[in-house]
Amino acid sequence: QVQLQESGPGLVKPSQTLSLTCTVSGGSISSGYYYWSWIRQHPGKGLEWIGNIHYSGTSFYNPSLKSRLTISVDTSKNQFSLKLSSVTAADTAVYYCARKSGSYPSYYFDYWGQGTLVTVSS
Amino acid sequence: QSVLTQPPSVSGAPGQRVTISCTGSSSNIGAGYDVHWYQQVPGTAPKLLIYANRNRPSGVPDRFSGSKSGTSASLAITGLQAEDETDYYCQSYDSSLEVFGTGTKVTVL
Repeated sequence: QVQLQESGPGLVKPSQTLSLTCTVSGGSISSGYYYWSWIRQHPGKGLEWIGNIHYSGTSFYNPSLKSRLTISVDTSKNQFSLKLSSVTAADTAVYYCARKSGSYPSYYFDYWGQGTLVTVSS
Repeated sequence: QSVLTQPPSVSGAPGQRVTISCTGSSSNIGAGYDVHWYQQVPGTAPKLLIYANRNRPSGVPDRFSGSKSGTSASLAITGLQAEDETDYYCQSYDSSLEVFGTGTKVTVL
């Protein structure tokens, strides 16, 4: 059973960089069949896709966040990471990591981490 | 602003059938991209409920079913149970990004 677990600071100051790591267990992040994703949910709101990365390093970002976003993968640790720079209060959200499965034109998120709340505040 | 529109809420009595619509456009659902559905209990992560329009992952009761037609999709819950009272989201693909619906809260009367 694949499991994902987010980790990182729960409080980030405005203008700083939000950094989160997702550790994958029960399966290899180097499996070519999957992309590894970040999704966030603002308090009381819906879900917003942030971006995906393949173990090869190929990544796709939400255009609305692309200028501030870096997603990377560390296959030796079975982890992938999110860095979001120049954060504001609008980046306060629960951040989820998830596994993206399927094939074109049908991709879906079949395993999710429990989520971690990140608050942007001074 | 989501490109997939869902009704904010639907309700039904125990045992009844309810449906949740997910309305898109020619650039997402209408372009042939599949629709997937998630169930989210507040305070927990979303759970995949239906993938590729109508398929249920292992362990999902057959009370849940999905369909897609044109630029829309639907999730149906038959034999509504108290435990079904929570939030539901559709998801598809549009212009190089994954998109989610606005979300629907199901209330069991």
